[in-house]
Amino acid sequence: EAQVTQNPRYLITVTGKKLTVTCSQNMNHEYMSWYRQDPGLGLRQIYYSMNVEVTDKGDVPEGYKVSRKEKRNFPLILESPSPNQTSLYFCASSLTPGQPQHFGDGTRLSIL
Amino acid sequence: EDQVTQSPEALRLQEGESSSLNCSYTVSGLRGLFWYRQDPGKGPEFLFTLYSAGEEKEKERLKATLTKKESFLHITAPKPEDSATYLCAVRANRDDKIIFGKGTRLHILP
Repeated sequence: EAQVTQNPRYLITVTGKKLTVTCSQNMNHEYMSWYRQDPGLGLRQIYYSMNVEVTDKGDVPEGYKVSRKEKRNFPLILESPSPNQTSLYFCASSLTPGQPQHFGDGTRLSIL
Repeated sequence: EDQVTQSPEALRLQEGESSSLNCSYTVSGLRGLFWYRQDPGKGPEFLFTLYSAGEEKEKERLKATLTKKESFLHITAPKPEDSATYLCAVRANRDDKIIFGKGTRLHILP
């Protein structure tokens, strides 16, 4: 079954404690993205990747890092999380940026 | 600056009452407009892609249309199961970013 898998689904943690949200896709997609979704602000792109070792900033990259060492995986790293990063995060993938994206089920992150 | 604006923010309709959702965009060269449906607690699900003005796509009770400045998602004789948030997104010409609108929350009353 074609899918995008995110882990964890829920996480409560404290300010400054480094965390990683993993994302994996099984569709051999080139393009992968991370978004955050906040009430009243909609979905905003954090980072995207066109292929292995190629990543670019989206509209809200501050405070986040990503890596793309393998085609299937695109982890999101928060080196020093802060409360304003409390949000619902989605990973997505598509063959190219011009093709429809497949989304994961989301990760709800709470930073205390 | 590239921008996507959806209206209305929320819409309540009676079952069977047809209506349209709007997505207006200002981007430097459109390379694709996407419609998604999002149910509570889930990731967005793809509905349609439109690439050029005049293009139309249909699926069951939904029909998406595109002009040079906006797209409409027409909902004909909706049912309660059509209740969801509908999201519009665009890919601009100058880079590979995807920009989403804030969505329209649609509620269909039985």
